[in-house]
Amino acid sequence: AQSVTQLDSQVPVFEEAPVELRCNYSSSVSVYLFWYVQYPNQGLQLLLKYLSGSTLVKSINGFEAEFNKSQTSFHLRKPSVHISDTAEYFCAVSDRVKRASGSRLTFGEGTQLTVNP
Amino acid sequence: DTAVSQTPKYLVTQMGNDKSIKCEQNLGHDTMYWYKQDSKKFLKIMFSYNNKELIINETVPNRFSPKSPDKAHLNLHINSLELGDSAVYFCASRREVGSNTGELFFGEGSRLTVL
Repeated sequence: AQSVTQLDSQVPVFEEAPVELRCNYSSSVSVYLFWYVQYPNQGLQLLLKYLSGSTLVKSINGFEAEFNKSQTSFHLRKPSVHISDTAEYFCAVSDRVKRASGSRLTFGEGTQLTVNP
Repeated sequence: DTAVSQTPKYLVTQMGNDKSIKCEQNLGHDTMYWYKQDSKKFLKIMFSYNNKELIINETVPNRFSPKSPDKAHLNLHINSLELGDSAVYFCASRREVGSNTGELFFGEGSRLTVL
């Protein structure tokens, strides 16, 4: 079984400030890790993912996340946020076990990032 | 073209009614899912179908019945609606079969309100 904990349910910041959204996971096997973003009244979109290789992964809009195996964390960061980054952010984990029944993505409870002017 | 489309986007109905939500994906994916997002934004998987075959069935009341006429469609029928069924239901799809690396593509959600 696997689980995801997002440590902050709400993160308010001012525009151009740095931000970190924290995510910790628990799994008995190796995992893949994801961050999804949900803008108001929309579905979830993949922001970035860690599958293998470099532990630092980046998105096209300036977000980055670092996989830390020893701390079982995958925190999301951005050095300078924009008002348009206001959204709900979900961390998710999927185990690496291949099975005929397919895999399931387990989501954290989400972090609402609100960027104020 | 919308990759994963759901209809209706909004649905308001009375307790006890039966309703359906439809989902279609034009991505050629093999696996489709239904997720439920409650008022606190928590996402929980309900069902997963692979090539029309049910592969994940979480602890969901049997009032919920998914149907997949072909691998591009996954519909959700709900009988005897209850107040607690009010939520946003998301359809999603994924390419790989038996692999965990593919990302999920989500529809825009169907907001169900039971009065």
